[in-house]
Amino acid sequence: AQTVTQSQPEMSVQEAETVTLSCTYDTSESDYYLFWYKQPPSRQMILVIRQEAYKQQNATENRFSVNFQKAAKSFSLKISDSQLGDAAMYFCAYRDDKIIFGKGTRLHILP
Amino acid sequence: DTGVSQNPRHKITKRGQNVTFRCDPISEHNRLYWYRQTLGQGPEFLTYFQNEAQLEKSRLLSDRFSAERPKGSFSTLEIQRTEQGDSAMYLCASSLEPISSYEQYFGPGTRLTVT
Repeated sequence: AQTVTQSQPEMSVQEAETVTLSCTYDTSESDYYLFWYKQPPSRQMILVIRQEAYKQQNATENRFSVNFQKAAKSFSLKISDSQLGDAAMYFCAYRDDKIIFGKGTRLHILP
Repeated sequence: DTGVSQNPRHKITKRGQNVTFRCDPISEHNRLYWYRQTLGQGPEFLTYFQNEAQLEKSRLLSDRFSAERPKGSFSTLEIQRTEQGDSAMYLCASSLEPISSYEQYFGPGTRLTVT
């Protein structure tokens, strides 16, 4: 069965600095999708970034980028120029038909 | 279209009562998913529909749980004889397959508290 592991329950970063959230996963499939979702306090889950496993190039979305290491089954999220609005729970997720989520990393932004 | 909506947003019920939640997906989205999220955890898959057909159910979905999507549009999730362990956030998501590249759009959730 596929699993997703986020080993950092909480992280803090100074505003305007860069932070990296870690994620590893386990699957026997060769083609799949990986996601990072953001869940602000009391607000709904939104997609931050998506990576197709068949693409070697790492996905980027403005200040958000990933480091996808397929052989190592690693999928980390880098947030550059952190802003107060980035404070949230971040979930790494693996997709076959349904999404399998990690337990999340709570990110605090320090002013 | 304003996205996925869920009603009610909060529900408090006594143990043993039945509750029903509703999810309205984004128009024309053919897939609809239900997840459960407990405090401090990531969402856990419960079930999903392709149009009106229920294609997969998690083992988390005991026989007290039933979900329907009768006309391939909105969906309902019913919990019978609620237990305190059912207290959680119930999330609904929808997607348009295969066009959406597997992106699921989430609703705000229904928070259930069983007393």
